Amino acid sequence: EPEVTQTPSHQVTQMGQEVILRCVPISNHLYFYWYRQILGQKVEFLVSFYNNEISEKSEIFDDQFSVERPDGSNFTLKIRSTKLEDSAMYFCASSTESGGYTFGSGTRLTVV
Amino acid sequence: AQSVTQLDSQVPVFEEAPVELRCNYSSSVSVYLFWYVQYPNQGLQLLLKYLSGSTLVKGINGFEAEFNKSQTSFHLRKPSVHISDTAEYFCAVRETGFQKLVFGTGTRLLVSP
Repeated sequence: EPEVTQTPSHQVTQMGQEVILRCVPISNHLYFYWYRQILGQKVEFLVSFYNNEISEKSEIFDDQFSVERPDGSNFTLKIRSTKLEDSAMYFCASSTESGGYTFGSGTRLTVV
Repeated sequence: AQSVTQLDSQVPVFEEAPVELRCNYSSSVSVYLFWYVQYPNQGLQLLLKYLSGSTLVKGINGFEAEFNKSQTSFHLRKPSVHISDTAEYFCAVRETGFQKLVFGTGTRLLVSP
């Protein structure tokens, strides 16, 4: 069964550093997403991406965040200057037009 | 804007007993509904989804859910749970015409022998 692949599985970074989280969505999916889950809390929507542009974003997704699809397979989330409160599990997902969502296994980001 | 309520933060149950995890949503338009399971230190796995058609949806691992439009509910049920069902369960909704999922706060199912 096709999978969404995320790398790395765990990343530790110092406060103020830039971090890039990587994802390879399912190849025939058209919509790509990032969600995050702070430890012990619910899963929160960050951003959706379609046709090479952001289609929707939440208030969490401020100027410190950006997404990119640099080639035909990768989908990245960049945090420019990490804060302690950015520590969370970040999930990438992709979906078809009809909403067949598939999530990756996540990247645990720890900001120290 | 849509929202999802999972009133039970934790549901303890004995092995082989039935269980129901409650989910209610609010939305001004038609919705699609989902249940995801998250095992410790793992990602989100789709249990089942309602897109259209029959309101009773069967998923993996013996789970099923029923969409009740009048009560705006999508409760998850299993007639007989196993120890291995211990996990966090998230209900999610997506409004038609939009792509993002909105999740509930989750229900921790604790199955004991």
